[in-house]
Amino acid sequence: GQNIDQPTEMTATEGAIVQINCTYQTSGFNGLFWYQQHAGEAPTFLSYNVLDGLEEKGRFSSFLSRSKGYSYLLLKELQMKDSASYLCAVRRRGSTLGRLYFGRGTQLTVWP
Amino acid sequence: ETGVTQTPRHLVMGMTNKKSLKCEQHLGHNAMYWYKQSAKKPLELMFVYSLEERVENNSVPSRFSPECPNSSHLFLHLHTLQPEDSALYLCASSQTVYSPLHFGNGTRLTVT
Repeated sequence: GQNIDQPTEMTATEGAIVQINCTYQTSGFNGLFWYQQHAGEAPTFLSYNVLDGLEEKGRFSSFLSRSKGYSYLLLKELQMKDSASYLCAVRRRGSTLGRLYFGRGTQLTVWP
Repeated sequence: ETGVTQTPRHLVMGMTNKKSLKCEQHLGHNAMYWYKQSAKKPLELMFVYSLEERVENNSVPSRFSPECPNSSHLFLHLHTLQPEDSALYLCASSQTVYSPLHFGNGTRLTVT
């Protein structure tokens, strides 16, 4: 594996901000993806970082620091529908045809 | 119909049965994948097809046999499975093997 670590569970309240961290150890890093997966549904693509810095998409932002092997997903103005599992996935340079290595996912519960 | 469609959504089979999972994508993508998602484990890549050619078999037991007759369809043939093969099987597609994945809703497989 690629030693991708993310917290197992997190909770937050509606309207709040939550940050989900992901750390990785891999040689030849070539991009990091975040996916959202609601219970019983397909994972859906949220964001992609390959260079250091912040990528913003509406209420969701993703940050990457390649030197630290670290990324986070920031969710603002939380809504009940944001309750889901958030998957961090890393791509290695030279890995077979862009293969992704996934973390175990962070189960986020948003309370009213 | 758009997106990635998987059938059946649920499947229960005995260890001596033979069954097939079907995946169809309407996105015009060139790559298709089978992933296995077990409880408390990361998503595991099983097979990758690019332009209908299998390009990766991730050390999957031979009781799983993929088939990609064209760029829009992908099958996973199952025979003599074990109870530990019970999991959610997800199909995905992408424009290229380096593009974000689009997942289907999966087939929940139970082997009795």
